Amino acid sequence: EAQVTQNPRYLITVTGKKLTVTCSQNMNHEYMSWYRQDPGLGLRQIYYSMNVEVTDKGDVPEGYKVSRKEKRNFPLILESPSPNQTSLYFCASSLGSRPPHETQYFGPGTRLLVL
Amino acid sequence: LAKTTQPISMDSYEGQEVNITCSHNNIATNDYITWYQQFPSQGPRFIIQGYKTKVTNEVASLFIPADRKSSTLSLPRVSLSDTAVYYCLVGGGYQKVTFGTGTKLQVIP
Repeated sequence: EAQVTQNPRYLITVTGKKLTVTCSQNMNHEYMSWYRQDPGLGLRQIYYSMNVEVTDKGDVPEGYKVSRKEKRNFPLILESPSPNQTSLYFCASSLGSRPPHETQYFGPGTRLLVL
Repeated sequence: LAKTTQPISMDSYEGQEVNITCSHNNIATNDYITWYQQFPSQGPRFIIQGYKTKVTNEVASLFIPADRKSSTLSLPRVSLSDTAVYYCLVGGGYQKVTFGTGTKLQVIP
């Protein structure tokens, strides 16, 4: 089944404790992206990757890191989480980055609480 | 990416046709218009995409006037399961993506 998977789905952590949220897609997609969603603010892009070893900042990259060493994986790293990073996180992928191939497929989401 | 403006919310009764309009005055020549649907606590899901005139699929229709400065998503005969947030995106290359806050559609029995 074609899908985007994220782990963990739910995570409670404390301020300053490094964490990684994994994202994997099995569709051989080139483009991958991370978003966070907060009430009243909609979906905001954190980082995106056009292909292996190519990443760039979205609208809200502060406090996050990403890497793209393999085509299928795009982990999101919070080196020192803070309470303002409490949010619902989505990973997405698409075949390419230009229409009509840029339709994005989203993962199920990771709900993060930073105490 | 072109800036988009949508109504914050809409209500509709079951069985009615719903039209959600998105304004994108600074759309570029190469930009496409794409609509996504999102249910609570789920990731957005692609609904429809178009460049000009009218596009129809099994879920919705997308109407784009000749000047392309706006677009209208049309959902025929909505049901309670269509209650969701609908996002309009405009762009020619989805490198950096901006979803905006979308339109929250509430379908009433």
